[in-house]
Amino acid sequence: AQTVTQSQPEMSVQEAETVTLSCTYDTSESDYYLFWYKQPPSRQMILVIRQEAYKQQNATENRFSVNFQKAAKSFSLKISDSQLGDAAMYFCAYRRGRDDKIIFGKGTRLHILP
Amino acid sequence: KAGVTQTPRYLIKTRGQQVTLSCSPISGHRSVSWYQQTPGQGLQFLFEYFSETQRNKGNFPGRFSGRQFSNSRSEMNVSTLELGDSALYLCASSLDGGSGDTQYFGPGTRLTVL
Repeated sequence: AQTVTQSQPEMSVQEAETVTLSCTYDTSESDYYLFWYKQPPSRQMILVIRQEAYKQQNATENRFSVNFQKAAKSFSLKISDSQLGDAAMYFCAYRRGRDDKIIFGKGTRLHILP
Repeated sequence: KAGVTQTPRYLIKTRGQQVTLSCSPISGHRSVSWYQQTPGQGLQFLFEYFSETQRNKGNFPGRFSGRQFSNSRSEMNVSTLELGDSALYLCASSLDGGSGDTQYFGPGTRLTVL
């Protein structure tokens, strides 16, 4: 069965610094999607970034980028120039296909220190 | 466009009762998914509906059920409530539920079972 593991329950970073959140997953599939979702204290979850497994190029969205290592089954999220508004719970997620459910990791709570 | 809305936002019930939660997706979205979020278990997938049909189902007992209407609005029902059902219930909508589709989450319904 597919699993998603986020080994860092909580992290802190100084404002304007760079932080990397880790995520590993287990699958025997070759084609799938990976996601990072952000859940701020207000609770509305939003998509930060997504990666298609068959694409070798790492996805980037402004200050957010991923380091996708398919062979190692690793999908880390890098946040550059951290801002106070980045403080949130971050969830890594995996989905194999349309007819399959999305599996979320347990999350990493990120604190931004002013 | 209006976002995903969920009603009610808060609910307090007692053991043995039943509850119905409602989710209105973004206009034009045909897929609605439901998740249970608890501090211990994290985010767990309940089920997904697409065009009034249940397409995917998580590992929850039969007390948890749902449905989708022709206008894509969805309801989930929990019968014979247990203390362990206390959680934040999140609904998410997407265009057609494709593998890489962005899921747009609602603010959630906080259910407390006494």
